[in-house]
Amino acid sequence: EVQLVESGGGLVQPGGSLRLSCAASGFTFSSYWMHWVRQAPGKGLVWVSRINSDGSSTSYADSVKGRFTISRDNAKNTLYLQMNSLRAEDTAVYYCATNSGSYWEYWGQGTLVTVSS
Amino acid sequence: QSALTQPPSASGSPGQSVTISCTGTSSDVGGYNYVSWYQQHPGKAPKLMIYEVSKRPSGVPDRFSGSKSGNTASLTVSGLQAEDEADYYCSSYAGSNTPYVFGTGTKVTVL
Repeated sequence: EVQLVESGGGLVQPGGSLRLSCAASGFTFSSYWMHWVRQAPGKGLVWVSRINSDGSSTSYADSVKGRFTISRDNAKNTLYLQMNSLRAEDTAVYYCATNSGSYWEYWGQGTLVTVSS
Repeated sequence: QSALTQPPSASGSPGQSVTISCTGTSSDVGGYNYVSWYQQHPGKAPKLMIYEVSKRPSGVPDRFSGSKSGNTASLTVSGLQAEDEADYYCSSYAGSNTPYVFGTGTKVTVL
């Protein structure tokens, strides 16, 4: 059974940092491009970042470029999102997810990040 | 890249049909046959319902169907059931810069 389990969310002050993790199991993690998608409270889904299967290529939404860094450890089957210079508008549930190129196949349960003083 | 446009809400009685539209541009919906649809119940992760415009994953009832015309994709839920009450989101591939875009979401209510 495929499982994606996010962790690392919580309450952080504006300007602070947080690192999210996503532990994967039940599929060949090292073969999949991985993504982070977020959903602000009561709002829609927004793509945040992606990383290719071996970690050599990354992309970011303009809203997080320069502040967030995606990475992965294929030996540990784990995806990461380092979030720096956090803003109130980064408050959201963050999901890790797989995308085969045309659709979002597997999703984690999400981890809530709240940026507030 | 802007979000794809969906109606905020849609509703129907049990057994009826509801159709949700998803309007984008020639750079996303109109440019690729990579439109997918997701069902999301409160507090849950999205669930894939339709991919590549009209294909249904195994396990999704055939009451769910998808189509596309130009820059607008549509999801139809036929024979509405109580468990279909949820938020629905479309998504499309949008090219290499911002590769994926989602719709604004539609809340489906079963009356």
